[in-house]
Amino acid sequence: QLVLTQSPSASASLGASVKLTCTLSSGHSSYAIAWHQQQPEKGPRYLMKLNSDGSHSKGDGIPDRFSGSSSGAERYLTISSLQSEDEADYYCQTWGTGIPAVFGGGTQLTVL
Amino acid sequence: QVQLVESGGGVVQPGRSLRLSCAASGFTFSSYGMHWVRQAPGKGLEWVAVISYDGSNKYYADSVKGRFTISRDNSKNTLYLQMNSLRAEDTAVYYCAKIESYRGAYDAFDIWGQGTMVTVSS
Repeated sequence: QLVLTQSPSASASLGASVKLTCTLSSGHSSYAIAWHQQQPEKGPRYLMKLNSDGSHSKGDGIPDRFSGSSSGAERYLTISSLQSEDEADYYCQTWGTGIPAVFGGGTQLTVL
Repeated sequence: QVQLVESGGGVVQPGRSLRLSCAASGFTFSSYGMHWVRQAPGKGLEWVAVISYDGSNKYYADSVKGRFTISRDNSKNTLYLQMNSLRAEDTAVYYCAKIESYRGAYDAFDIWGQGTMVTVSS
């Protein structure tokens, strides 16, 4: 079964960096994922698509502060030079043959 | 610019019906698969349904299968979600989303709407 696991919460200081993790279930380590940001009271916003080899393509207007990387079944979203507007929920999403879409539970990021 | 705008949400009694719409602009709507995703209050994102670019293929989450119907009118650049036999647990913000790949099946969601709230309550 295709499952994405995310830590419920994370925090980091203003101006610092943070690395969020999304873990693919066993047997699915080759899958690509997408990262989405959801600021309070807003709809989700596409950040990037991240492949198993770490290559990624970002959505329009996404700052260079957002980057992605991969290691095995783990997919990472790194946000550098944290700003107050980065405080949001971050969701990973994947898909596969016969599987239209699966979401992780989301990580709530607090900027201290 | 590329945009999705949902409408049609509201308060409805259990067992009744509601139809949501999603108006697309800024891209060739007829070339992309489209999804509905919902988010219950205080909860995460839940995939609901998908329709292929030409409307020939549709799939649903088990939680809505047999009650919800996804459709599209490519001449009007509009996506729909017909929701019948609504339950309290269908209460959520409903988002439409476009997939990234041209005429693809499943892929990353690269455009999201702002959402429309559906409340099922007596």
